Amino acid sequence: GQQVMQIPQYQHVQEGEDFTTYCNSSTTLSNIQWYKQRPGGHPVFLIQLVKSGEVKKQKRLTFQFGEAKKNSSLHITATQTTDVGTYFCAGPGSGGSNYKLTFGKGTLLTVNP
Amino acid sequence: NAGVMQNPRHLVRRRGQEARLRCSPMKGHSHVYWYRQLPEEGLKFMVYLQKENIIDESGMPKERFSAEFPKEGPSILRIQQVVRGDSAAYFCASSPSTGSPTFGSGTRLTVV
Repeated sequence: GQQVMQIPQYQHVQEGEDFTTYCNSSTTLSNIQWYKQRPGGHPVFLIQLVKSGEVKKQKRLTFQFGEAKKNSSLHITATQTTDVGTYFCAGPGSGGSNYKLTFGKGTLLTVNP
Repeated sequence: NAGVMQNPRHLVRRRGQEARLRCSPMKGHSHVYWYRQLPEEGLKFMVYLQKENIIDESGMPKERFSAEFPKEGPSILRIQQVVRGDSAAYFCASSPSTGSPTFGSGTRLTVV
């Protein structure tokens, strides 16, 4: 079945440093979604990328979808303590069903103030 | 404008008891999904329901687990005869159609 891999599993940075998490799918994706989950919280939708090579920005966050639509990345510039949490990528399930998301295991980001 | 409401937030059950998890979708959302998250894992799809219908339950364990979304009232995820391995966070999500779901705060189930 479809697999979504994320690296690294953990990342600890000093406040102000940059952070990147990478996501790779075993199959081509029709779209990819990113979520953030604070410790003890629930996943919060960040963005969806649809087009090959698409790049989207949200303030200090930059999301990229690979040309082959099998990988994606999330880059945070100048991290802040409020960025702490686990970042998940998720792809639609078999047949492109958007409800049956396949999540990566996530990258836990911790930020030292 | 309440989001997806789940209760209880925390639930402790002894092995062999039943666990009932409730979820009220966002207003106007007719699609409900349940996901399970084991410690330090990503979320795993369990079931997709619309009112009075189970659309896709391919992620549900074959035994002890059931879900419903009645015409009136919240969606219920029911786990019978819980075992320690059922300890997890269970998230409900909803959407107005099969778009990106909005997640509730989850129910953390601990089986002792």
